[in-house]
Amino acid sequence: QKEVEQDPGPLSVPEGAIVSLNCTYSNSAFQYFMWYRQYSRKGPELLMYTYSSGNKEDGRFTAQVDKSSKYISLFIRDSQPSDSATYLCAMSDRYGNKLVFGAGTILRVKS
Amino acid sequence: SAVISQKPSRDICQRGTSLTIQCQVDSQVTMMFWYRQQPGQSLTLIATANQGSEATYESGFVIDKFPISRPNLTFSTLTVSNMSPEDSSIYLCSVGADTQYFGPGTRLTVL
Repeated sequence: QKEVEQDPGPLSVPEGAIVSLNCTYSNSAFQYFMWYRQYSRKGPELLMYTYSSGNKEDGRFTAQVDKSSKYISLFIRDSQPSDSATYLCAMSDRYGNKLVFGAGTILRVKS
Repeated sequence: SAVISQKPSRDICQRGTSLTIQCQVDSQVTMMFWYRQQPGQSLTLIATANQGSEATYESGFVIDKFPISRPNLTFSTLTVSNMSPEDSSIYLCSVGADTQYFGPGTRLTVL
């Protein structure tokens, strides 16, 4: 079993839709949770960062962490074609050094 | 966030040769990380490089295959030695503490 599970998709949605991306994990030591966006032939770009449980909102993006269920989510409101990319969840323990990544979900937003 | 550059951006190499990838950061950082992203897969940590000490390698990665240098607080190199087609990947460096920021990556193809 992988430490972090993420559905690779692809997930295809119409422009303006609300997108929900999710990851589950097995290591209860994880305390830092991140979402990265990766465009084709580019390095990952940090989108959201959350420490421990709770919600965090930044513009059209909301990150949720439920440590009791070992489940994290990223919501994208009013999705745009420019949101089409691969979204990677990542997490680390209290020392915050070694990131463990999910497989990444390919998102396609159609205009 | 730090600005990270990598050289080369891409290369095509012959089996049995070696390639050295450079990572330059625009500010001084304590820890630098090297990741591999194989085709269609997520990121896997190769090693952590601290200035003035030996790099720490993850399980499955060895110094003879992936020697790393960290001569100062803004620069690191990763060498991929005695390459085989299985080494064809994107190699990424990153910096940060509890969150990490990534360079654009080096796309390596081994024939």
